[in-house]
This record gives sequence, structure tokens and C-alpha cells, in this order.
Amino acid sequence: DAGVIQSPRHEVTEMGQEVTLRCKPISGHNSLFWYRQTMMRGLELLIYFNNNVPIDDSGMPEDRFSAKMPNASFSTLKIQPSEPRDSAVYFCASSVDRRLYGYTFGSGTRLTVV
Amino acid sequence: DQQVKQNSPSLSVQEGRISILNCDYTNSMFDYFLWYKKYPAEGPTFLISISSIKDKNEDGRFTVFLNKSAKHLSLHIVPSQPGDSAVYFCAAVSSGAGSYQLTFGKGTKLSVIP
Repeated sequence: DAGVIQSPRHEVTEMGQEVTLRCKPISGHNSLFWYRQTMMRGLELLIYFNNNVPIDDSGMPEDRFSAKMPNASFSTLKIQPSEPRDSAVYFCASSVDRRLYGYTFGSGTRLTVV
Repeated sequence: DQQVKQNSPSLSVQEGRISILNCDYTNSMFDYFLWYKKYPAEGPTFLISISSIKDKNEDGRFTVFLNKSAKHLSLHIVPSQPGDSAVYFCAAVSSGAGSYQLTFGKGTKLSVIP
């Protein structure tokens, strides 16, 4: 099992550009989560999907952020237009049972907006 | 409003001694708690968990204690090893219907000194 796969590992972009982060969850996991980690706020949940359906996107900071999960094996998080304050590490995680086993996280995408 | 609080941003412990990481929560609906460990440039990995029906769970060198009345949990690592140096996140979940998300603390950076 390759685990949760995120790409790219690092992204540097200019303010105003569109950024797309990608995630492949573990096969068989039916829940997918996007988290953002910053020094000030720690790990904060942006959105989660269950069976490819967005369940709660209340953590998405603003309309510039959008997420999709077109099928069980792929999800994207898009920021458009990007701003310097979006600089953070973005984690994707998947789970089959969030209570008993917790989540499996990917290695993250470090986003820098200059 | 942080529902899960880790008030110590960092902790240094001598190798071989006990490490105690603390976590407080405010939401009485939380009934399952987890600890995650994170190395630099990697995603958090699940370490140990505890249900609210228990007050202690042990796994090798790691023990988690839960005090429901105080809304407090702690992670004990005995004996501490240099490889334990990482950021530790406390997380909580409510098992209410439709709840999928973990709420994380900001993390505590543990340094084990050889």
C-alpha cells in the first residue's frame, strides 16, 4: 500500500496565480480530508468528503478555495487567485473509520505564494 | 475558539527519562481521543488513541491517560528515546451521527536530548 499520495511536494507561485493541489487516497478508504497547517493555527480542517460527496466545507477560508472529488481515487484543492497568506503546508488524509483507526495522512504540499 | 488545546509549544527531556505531553479540551461531546506524531517534511502518523469509556490505554512505551472530569488527557513516553523527537498532536472526535472530523491541537514539539 503506497499510502496517501499528494502532489506536488512543493509549490512556489506568484500572487494571483491559480494553484491546484492533488491527492490520491488509500484504496478502500471512503472519507477524505483536506487540512492546512500553519504556525498560528496548527492543523485546521478545510473540507471533508464521504463517498466522494462533500460533507462539510465550513473550514474553507473563502471563495478563492474550492475542492473536488470526482471519484474515489482522486481529489483536488484549488486556490484561485492565490495570496501570500495562503502559504502553508496542505495535508490530505483518508480514513475508513475515523474513530477506531484515525486518519492516514499524506506527506503534504508546502505552498509558498510570493 | 480552540476546542483542543496543547498549551506547551515545546518540551525538552533527557534520554531515558519520562516525557509527559498534555492536552485539554472544552467540548464535552468529544468521546474519542488520539495522538499523532509528526516528523519534519512528513505527514502526521497515528500513535495511540483512547475511548472516553476508558481512563488509560497503553502501547509499549506509550501510555495515554484520560481524565474526563477535568477534560484533560496526557501522553506518557517511558523511556524517552532520541527518535521520539517530533511534534505531537492531540486530536479529538465526537462520535455523534454524521461527525467525521478530528479536531487537532496546535502541537507540542518534543526534543529528547541524548
